[in-house]
Amino acid sequence: DIQMTQSPSSLSASVGDRVTITCRASLGISNYLAWYQQKPGKVPKLLIYGASTLQSGVPSRFSGGGSGTDFTLTISSLQPEDVATYYCQKYNGDPPFTFGPGTKVDIK
Amino acid sequence: EVQLVESGGGLVRPGGSLRLSCSASGFTFSSHSMSWVRQAPGKGLEWVSTCSTNSNYIYYGDSVKGRFTISRDNANKSLYLQMDSLRADDTAVYYCTRGPHYTYVWGSYFFDYWGQGALVTVSS
Repeated sequence: DIQMTQSPSSLSASVGDRVTITCRASLGISNYLAWYQQKPGKVPKLLIYGASTLQSGVPSRFSGGGSGTDFTLTISSLQPEDVATYYCQKYNGDPPFTFGPGTKVDIK
Repeated sequence: EVQLVESGGGLVRPGGSLRLSCSASGFTFSSHSMSWVRQAPGKGLEWVSTCSTNSNYIYYGDSVKGRFTISRDNANKSLYLQMDSLRADDTAVYYCTRGPHYTYVWGSYFFDYWGQGALVTVSS
């Protein structure tokens, strides 16, 4: 099975900072990578699919990149409402369609 | 408006069974794969099972394979998860999720809509 890892596991940044989260797949997954945001006590929300395609309604300060085994989620200017845990997911090919362990983002 | 509403959660003894249901509305149910994703208390997301549009392709995570059965009824816009031989580590919130339209890249199972979740607690 392909394993998904994320780094860092948590981070604290100031409002307005540029924040980057990394997701790594143990084998190449082309661009079949999605990112989700889960705010405290809320249901997860799809942010990005196809590694870089923004889901409708998601603010443009979020962007995704990468292909193969290494991917990034970037928040260009961190806002208070971005406090959440972010998960990547591999979503094509052979199952399992694994999620990464998550990255918790807080405001400093 | 897309809506996914889970029901059937609750408290069950180890070794027992439970059936979750998900009622869908606001979209053409038969055109989308559907999946279950769970989240144990304080833990991350775990993909559980996926059912393709016409049930031709069904997948399970290793932790539930042989114990859980996913099914769907396109006429009634419903998704189900039959959970047997439940264990304490199955305790979680179970989310019903929608996959992309079938015209999207074949075999793609990300989740663009999520229900509010159903809590399943397995305890004696």
